[in-house]
Amino acid sequence: GAVVSQHPSWVICKSGTSVKIECRSLDFQATTMFWYRQFPKQSLMLMATSNEGSKATYEQGVEKDKFLINHASLTLSTLTVTSAHPEDSSFYICSAGILYGTGGNEQYFGPGTRLTVT
Amino acid sequence: TQLLEQSPQFLSIQEGENLTVYCNSSSVFSSLQWYRQEPGEGPVLLVTVVTGGEVKKLKRLTFQFGDARKDSSLHITAAQPGDTGLYLCAGARRGDYKLSFGAGTTVTVRA
Repeated sequence: GAVVSQHPSWVICKSGTSVKIECRSLDFQATTMFWYRQFPKQSLMLMATSNEGSKATYEQGVEKDKFLINHASLTLSTLTVTSAHPEDSSFYICSAGILYGTGGNEQYFGPGTRLTVT
Repeated sequence: TQLLEQSPQFLSIQEGENLTVYCNSSSVFSSLQWYRQEPGEGPVLLVTVVTGGEVKKLKRLTFQFGDARKDSSLHITAAQPGDTGLYLCAGARRGDYKLSFGAGTTVTVRA
């Protein structure tokens, strides 16, 4: 159980174009999903928290107009990188959270999407 | 400054040896997870600990949550090349659904 899929697994796009990445929880409903960015040999950096039916909450320093997040259903969140530039090239990972009543949570991660902007 | 300090950053050992990775913080966590990540893939959840002093075993892996719920350790017995990967600890503070990640420990087990 607790499987999260991500699509596409890799994408190459030209500078100035937009790219959409999908994150789906396959066997459970996730009211909250998270989007991370990871640079080589580094840990995960949280970009934003995606809440079903409401606006995403972005971390400090993350441009909300550049990284558009939509969480239209309990099983799907999308991240759109708008007007992509080479510096946006990275490994993007989503996760879906199973929340505890105490405020803790377990997060299950998708396989990641490798974005390369040329 | 990261909320969770993970050490060591790198660990290279011979097959059959034991290893321990530490995760420390000055904050109290309501839950703490350990993940293993291989290159080009997403992190895979290994274990969740929620009770102070809790010890969980997963085959050759032993996880411990500190009594005060501020620190945790991962111990691998008789490491195998398949244990190679990036190990990440992550904790959630009470009332906060976001996870704070440690910087990660890259473990390499040589055959």
